[in-house]
Amino acid sequence: SQKIEQNSEALNIQEGKTATLTCNYTNYSPAYLQWYRQDPGRGPVFLLLIRENEKEKRKERLKVTFDTTLKQSLFHITASQPADSATYLCALDEGSARQLTFGSGTQLTVLP
Amino acid sequence: DGGITQSPKYLFRKEGQNVTLSCEQNLNHDAMYWYRQDPGQGLRLIYYSQIVNDFQKGDIAEGYSVSREKKESFPLTVTSAQKNPTAFYLCASSTGTGGRETQYFGPGTRLLVL
Repeated sequence: SQKIEQNSEALNIQEGKTATLTCNYTNYSPAYLQWYRQDPGRGPVFLLLIRENEKEKRKERLKVTFDTTLKQSLFHITASQPADSATYLCALDEGSARQLTFGSGTQLTVLP
Repeated sequence: DGGITQSPKYLFRKEGQNVTLSCEQNLNHDAMYWYRQDPGQGLRLIYYSQIVNDFQKGDIAEGYSVSREKKESFPLTVTSAQKNPTAFYLCASSTGTGGRETQYFGPGTRLLVL
């Protein structure tokens, strides 16, 4: 069956360090992969989109990689800040309708 | 300000009752979506609409119904057939459908059963 797995546990890091979040998928061949941020009790907010033929995408302190051989995307936040604490969701297009399917998310806490 | 609004923020349902969640957008987007989120889980697609007067079932459509009579509105009805409706409901919109389209989400409605 089709499956998306993100870091299974919450991630705690120290302020200033780089946070690395993982999104693994099986039985998909996505053309696009997106990352969203969700704060408690609020709707997700789009962060970055990467295409299957792109290896890496950057936006300010954020970097996303997409390895279609490993079926994995890594999401990096450099120089992390307590304000970066949130749940981060990856989403891939799949199925005949190519709709976005979301992972369960990784809860990141940046400690001051 | 452009965006998506959802109302109410909290909704209480009695046994056997149908309830309707509102979703309005002024982004001029063609596509709209309804997702359900349970604690510790990702978003699951209930219904989506690519154009006015047309909508498609998502992965968990049973017990739900929608309408799309206007471009800016996509209300979701949780019927009495949905036996476990307690969840956080999110509405989203995008220019088109498919994986390359960024989705814009509303603030959500939390549905609780009395």
